[in-house]
Amino acid sequence: EAQVTQNPRYLITVTGKKLTVTCSQNMNHEYMSWYRQDPGLGLRQIYYSMNVEVTDKGDVPEGYKVSRKEKRNFPLILESPSPNQTSLYFCASSLGDGDEQYFGPGTRLTVT
Amino acid sequence: QKEVEQNSGPLSVPEGAIASLNCTYSDRVSQSFFWYRQYSGKSPELIMSIYSNGDKEDGRFTAQLNKASQYVSLLIRDSQPSDSATYLCAVNDWTTGNQFYFGTGTSLTVIP
Repeated sequence: EAQVTQNPRYLITVTGKKLTVTCSQNMNHEYMSWYRQDPGLGLRQIYYSMNVEVTDKGDVPEGYKVSRKEKRNFPLILESPSPNQTSLYFCASSLGDGDEQYFGPGTRLTVT
Repeated sequence: QKEVEQNSGPLSVPEGAIASLNCTYSDRVSQSFFWYRQYSGKSPELIMSIYSNGDKEDGRFTAQLNKASQYVSLLIRDSQPSDSATYLCAVNDWTTGNQFYFGTGTSLTVIP
């Protein structure tokens, strides 16, 4: 089954404790993205990647890191999480430039 | 910085009626346009993509794009209670990368 998977689905952590949210797709897509979704603000792009070893900042990259060492994986790293990073996070992938994105199931992160 | 504007609603229509959802975007460079449906607590799922001016129909859904007016709309014919969700408009300019911009969504309720 073609899909984007994320882990964990739910995470509660404390300020400053490094965490990684994994994202994997099995569709051989070139492009992958991370978003956060907050009430009233909608979906905002954090980082995106157009290919292996190619990443670029979206609208809200501060406090996040990403890497793309393999085509199928695009982990999101929070080196020192803060409460303002409490949000619903989505990973997405698309075949190529300008193509529709397919979203993972989401990761609900709470930072206390 | 692109801006994507949607009326947040809520929009209520009776079952069987046509629901009309609208979206405007701030610049003329955007190339790709998408409508997503998102049920509460779930990930966005693609309904339609549209790339050229005019109408594109897929079953009960019709997307309309007018690049000169920077306007994209979604019509849902024969609305069903299962269409009750938040509808997200997204735009992308793939000529300068793969950054996506989403509106905050319109909440639609279809009343049986």
